[in-house]
Amino acid sequence: AQTVTQSQPEMSVQEAETVTLSCTYDTSESDYYLFWYKQPPSRQMILVIRQEAYKQQNATENRFSVNFQKAAKSFSLKISDSQLGDAAMYFCAYRRGKGGADGLTFGKGTHLIIQP
Amino acid sequence: NAGVTQTPKFRVLKTGQSMTLLCAQDMNHEYMYWYRQDPGMGLRLIHYSVGEGTTAKGEVPDGYNVSRLKKQNFLLGLESAAPSQTSVYFCASRVGENSPLHFGNGTRLTVT
Repeated sequence: AQTVTQSQPEMSVQEAETVTLSCTYDTSESDYYLFWYKQPPSRQMILVIRQEAYKQQNATENRFSVNFQKAAKSFSLKISDSQLGDAAMYFCAYRRGKGGADGLTFGKGTHLIIQP
Repeated sequence: NAGVTQTPKFRVLKTGQSMTLLCAQDMNHEYMYWYRQDPGMGLRLIHYSVGEGTTAKGEVPDGYNVSRLKKQNFLLGLESAAPSQTSVYFCASRVGENSPLHFGNGTRLTVT
């Protein structure tokens, strides 16, 4: 079974600085997707970024970018120019590429605190 | 276009009571999912459905039943609630294999 590990239960960063959230995963598949979700206090699950394993180029979405290291099975999220609105729980998630209806496997989350 | 709607938003049950959580989506999605979220545990898959009339077990199915009689609705039932089922429950759906997952806003369930 696939597992997703987020080793940082909580991270704190000063507003306007850069922070990196770690995620590692374990799989025997070669085709898969990786995701970062943001969950603010409203409880809403918001997709931040998605990476296809077959793509070597790291995905980016505005201030959010990932460092995808397929051989090391690592998928970290970098948030640049942190803003107060970035404060939330962040979840890393995995899904098989040929899994059809497979659900996502989530990590336990990292609570990100933004210091003003 | 409401997306994924969960009913109710909050509920308190006594041990042994039963209830049904409703998930409705208006996007004509084939795949639907029920997750539970517990502190420090992330989200774990309870059951899912690949289409009308089908259901399958996820990672933590014990104590729950599901039904998908209509394509737009996915029901999660607790026949005899236990305190261990106190959690936040999320429904999600997606149209196909490579499409993104859309989440509802969750149901906070407390079993006393």
